Amino acid sequence: DIQMTQSPSFLSASVGDSVTITCRASQSISNYLNWYQQKPGKAPELLIYAASSLQSGVPSRFSGGGSGTGFTLTISSLQPEDFVTYYCQQTYSPPRTFGQGTKVEIK
Amino acid sequence: QLQLQESGPGLVKPSETLSLTCTVSGGSISSSSYYWGWVRQPPGKGLEWIGTIYYTGSTDYSPSLKSRVTISVDRSKNQFSLKLSSVTAADTAVYYCARPDTVTLQGAFDIWGQGTMVTVSS
Repeated sequence: DIQMTQSPSFLSASVGDSVTITCRASQSISNYLNWYQQKPGKAPELLIYAASSLQSGVPSRFSGGGSGTGFTLTISSLQPEDFVTYYCQQTYSPPRTFGQGTKVEIK
Repeated sequence: QLQLQESGPGLVKPSETLSLTCTVSGGSISSSSYYWGWVRQPPGKGLEWIGTIYYTGSTDYSPSLKSRVTISVDRSKNQFSLKLSSVTAADTAVYYCARPDTVTLQGAFDIWGQGTMVTVSS
């Protein structure tokens, strides 16, 4: 199985800050990396697919990068609704594992 | 617009089989090139990929659940299902059905059901 490791697990920031979340794969997954946002009590929503492609309807303050084993999700100018949990997921090979999640909290 | 909706018992006894159904509306489950899948999330924890089924019936399962899980499709009802046998308290979770779009999104889950909480308890 491909292990996905996100860091940090928790992140404190203020409205307007720019933050970056990192996801590392235990082996190369090319660009088969997706990012999801999950609000409390809700299903996850797709933000970024194929490492850097913005899903339709997602604000442009979200961006993704990386390839191979290292990936990033950057949120520029955090908005109040962005203080939730984010997950990465590899879809290179089954099982299509998720990272453990990063909770973004208000400082 | 494609929508997914999970249904099934919210309480299952230990050692019994958990059975959930996902109803697809706004489109056909038999549309070629699409997979259908299940993801779960224990209370307060992260997301766990359970498995997927292709419209042809081909399946992939998580190795940690493979001996207990079955995903199937019922084209006549436009539904797909999850069965997890010999459940324990560790299987208590919110179960989501979702569609991984392998056509344009490299398998990312772009459509999700709202999720259904299943508790394993006697």
